[in-house]
Formats: sequence, structure tokens, C-alpha cells
Amino acid sequence: DAKTTQPPSMDCAEGRAANLPCNHSTISGNEYVYWYRQIHSQGPQYIIHGLKNNETNEMASLIITEDRKSSTLILPHATLRDTAVYYCIAVSNRDDKIIFGKGTRLHILP
Amino acid sequence: DTEVTQTPKHLVMGMTNKKSLKCEQHMGHRAMYWYKQKAKKPPELMFVYSYEKLSINESVPSRFSPECPNSSLLNLHLHALQPEDSALYLCASSQRPRGGSYNSPLHFGNGTRLTVT
Repeated sequence: DAKTTQPPSMDCAEGRAANLPCNHSTISGNEYVYWYRQIHSQGPQYIIHGLKNNETNEMASLIITEDRKSSTLILPHATLRDTAVYYCIAVSNRDDKIIFGKGTRLHILP
Repeated sequence: DTEVTQTPKHLVMGMTNKKSLKCEQHMGHRAMYWYKQKAKKPPELMFVYSYEKLSINESVPSRFSPECPNSSLLNLHLHALQPEDSALYLCASSQRPRGGSYNSPLHFGNGTRLTVT
């Protein structure tokens, strides 16, 4: 799996958009970009994924650069409940090996 | 609440005990995973089952023994553990259409917090 790089921590004011970057410069053509988050004392929760195109669902938007070397997860109106560790993972569509990196610890400030 | 149920939520065991962790899902998913997570670290992949067959073992010590008795259940049998094995053990599942791609999200349970004394 491609290695992903994320900032270790970020702050965002409540009500503002939280933009979480992820670098995956060695991603291959068959690898999707997945985002999960883990709130304290819970299992990771799936947020969104994409291959080439930008994606949006009820939780977030995913913006993938044209060269696919980086992406940004956008939480449009952050709330205190969005405080969590966010993981960006490159996942091959050819095997089961899903490896988590260190993630970004997002703090939402009141 | 999650659709993947793990029991027990907490477990304390001695180094000579034998215990089992259980994971259950009724979403019809055919891939199931065990992860181990130490405090303030990301989840580490341990095992993957696909259609009830072990497909990935990430060089996990033999004191951890996985079992997938049917498509809804996943067990992790524990024997002669060490204190450093204390961690949160997470189970996950994902869809796996026969002959289809591996691209589908993981659904996680909330884990079993294991303490080895």
C-alpha cells in the first residue's frame, strides 16, 4: 500500500470548515483514497473514499488533486463531536491489506 | 451503536489463562479483520479472513489464534499472553462480492479492551 503522510495535529474553530490534508505521492492507479476517523474509546468510522473524482456525502467532501498525489478531507461545519483522529489510507482494490498510518488529531475549539 | 458487535467489552486475564474474543456481524459481509491498537497509536492489522479462509496473517505470534466458524462470526483465541499484549482489539468487516474488487469500506466494532496481568 502507498504510504500516506498527514500532519500530526490540527485545530479548527467550531462552525468553521475543517480541511485535513493528506499526501500520497506514491499512490498507484488501483489504489483508492479512504478516510476514517476514530473518536476516543470507539472503533474507527468510515467517512468517505474516492479514486479520481471529488466525492461528497452527508459527512464530508473529498477533494483529490488531478495527479492524485494528495487529497483534502473537508468537514464543512465542524462541531465539537468532530474531535477525533482522522486517518487517510491508500487502499488497493486487489487485496485485503488495509494499513493505518499515524493520522491527524483534530481538535475542534469552542 | 455499531453493526459489528464485539464481546466482551473489557477483559482482564493472567498470563497463564486461555480466553477468547468474539466478533459478530449480520450485514452479509464476507471479509473480517482483527486489529490491535495500543494507546495513542494507529490500529495494526493482525489477521484477515475472506470467505471464512485466512487470507492474511501479519506475522502475529502463535499465542493469538484466529478462527472464523461461519460467515458471521470471528473469534480470537488467546493463550499465554504477555503484559505487552494489553491493548484494544478491534474487529472489522467489509463486503466482498465473489470475484469482485476489494474496494469496500471497513465497518468496525468498538473493540475489546484487554489487560494482561
